[in-house]
Amino acid sequence: ELKVEQNPLFLSMQEGKNYTIYCNYSTTSDRLYWYRQDPGKSLESLFVLLSNGAVKQEGRLMASLDTKARLSTLHITAAVHDLSATYFCAVEGNNDMRFGAGTRLTVKP
Amino acid sequence: DAGVIQSPRHEVTEMGQEVTLRCKPISGHDYLFWYRQTMMRGLELLIYFNNNVPIDDSGMPEDRFSAKMPNASFSTLKIQPSEPRDSAVYFCASSLVWLNTEAFFGQGTRLTVV
Repeated sequence: ELKVEQNPLFLSMQEGKNYTIYCNYSTTSDRLYWYRQDPGKSLESLFVLLSNGAVKQEGRLMASLDTKARLSTLHITAAVHDLSATYFCAVEGNNDMRFGAGTRLTVKP
Repeated sequence: DAGVIQSPRHEVTEMGQEVTLRCKPISGHDYLFWYRQTMMRGLELLIYFNNNVPIDDSGMPEDRFSAKMPNASFSTLKIQPSEPRDSAVYFCASSLVWLNTEAFFGQGTRLTVV
């Protein structure tokens, strides 16, 4: 059974700082997605990673995928308050899409 | 396109009542997914359809849950009878294909069963 683990689950950081969110998964997959969810809102797609070594960047966020290590990272550079949200990774299995538990990020001034 | 449209946005019902959630996927998308989100269990895939055909319903928690997709532009998720533990946010999502593309989520239906 595909399992997806994110850490940390909660992250409080100062504006201007850097940090990384980790997403580990248990079975072979080379398709991983990152989503953002604001409180009370829907999920918004951030990145689609489709191969080993894939790296995508959008603004202050950069995502990467290492399929051999079964690990994806979401790196935050010089955080700003607008990045406060919950971030989910999702891994595509054979007939399934499993989401991590989410990382609730709070960026403080 | 207006995106994935779900209705109602909020539903409060009494235990034992039938609840029907509705979803209109993005036009042209072949796949439709129903998810449930709770604090305890996070996001769970309940069922998904390909070209209106249910492919995998192994995530449906009980026989009280059923889903249909009578045509490419409409799907329902029904709970009968509803129970308090069904209280959650139910998301519908659609994608162009199963592989290699992200899913687009609706705004969700917040269901409260009292």
